[in-house]
Amino acid sequence: GAVVSQHPSWVICKSGTSVKIECRSLDFQATTMFWYRQFPKQSLMLMATSNEGSKATYEQGVEKDKFLINHASLTLSTLTVTSAHPEDSSFYICSATGTRLNEQFFGPGTRLTVL
Amino acid sequence: AQSVSQHNHHVILSEAASLELGCNYSYGGTVNLFWYVQYPGQHLQLLLKYFSGDPLVKGIKGFEAEFIKSKFSFNLRKPSVQWSDTAEYFCAVIPETGANNLFFGTGTRLTVIP
Repeated sequence: GAVVSQHPSWVICKSGTSVKIECRSLDFQATTMFWYRQFPKQSLMLMATSNEGSKATYEQGVEKDKFLINHASLTLSTLTVTSAHPEDSSFYICSATGTRLNEQFFGPGTRLTVL
Repeated sequence: AQSVSQHNHHVILSEAASLELGCNYSYGGTVNLFWYVQYPGQHLQLLLKYFSGDPLVKGIKGFEAEFIKSKFSFNLRKPSVQWSDTAEYFCAVIPETGANNLFFGTGTRLTVIP
C-alpha cells in the first residue's frame, strides 16, 4: 500500500518558537494532503486540506496565520506552527491521497510538546 | 453539520469473545464509510471501507461491517477477537458530494484480555 511519512515524530519546543512538520508520500504522488489534530482520548479533527500548488483550505476555527501549510510538490506538504504556545501541544497527523487512490493514507503522526 | 458517533468509548473483552462496535452518522445524502484501526504506537490503518454494493463489507484481519442505510449505521464486527486486536478503532465518513474530507468518530478503545 501507499506509504506516508512524517518528520519529526516528536518535537519539544519553547513557547513562542515556530515548529515545522513535514509530511511526505513515499511511493505515490499526493494530489491532496490533509492535516489533522488529535487530542488525547479524542478523535481526529481536520485542520486543513491542501492541494499541490494551491493554497490550503482551512476548517472553521483553525487560524491560518498560526498553522501555515505549504504543499509545494506532489510528495511533500509542511505544517508550520508559528509562535507555538502550550495549548498547541497535540498530536498532528497528516494523510494523503492521489489521483488513482480512493482512500487516504495516514502518516504516523508528530507529537508536539510546547513548554 | 455532519457528525459521526461511536457509542462505546472503551470495550474490554476476553479472547475469543465476539465484538461489535457501533457507529452512526448524521448525513442525509450518500456517504462513503470507513473503519480505521490505530494499534498502540502506530499510525492509522484502514480496516475496511464501503462505497456501494453489498452492504456487508469484509475487511482485513477477520473484521466486517454492515451498512444499514435506514439506521445511518455502519457497525464493526468480529466473531472472535484476539489479544492482538487491542487498539483504538475509528469510524469515519466522507459525504459523497463536496470535499473529500473524512469526518471521524471519537474512537473506541478495545482491550482484549488474554
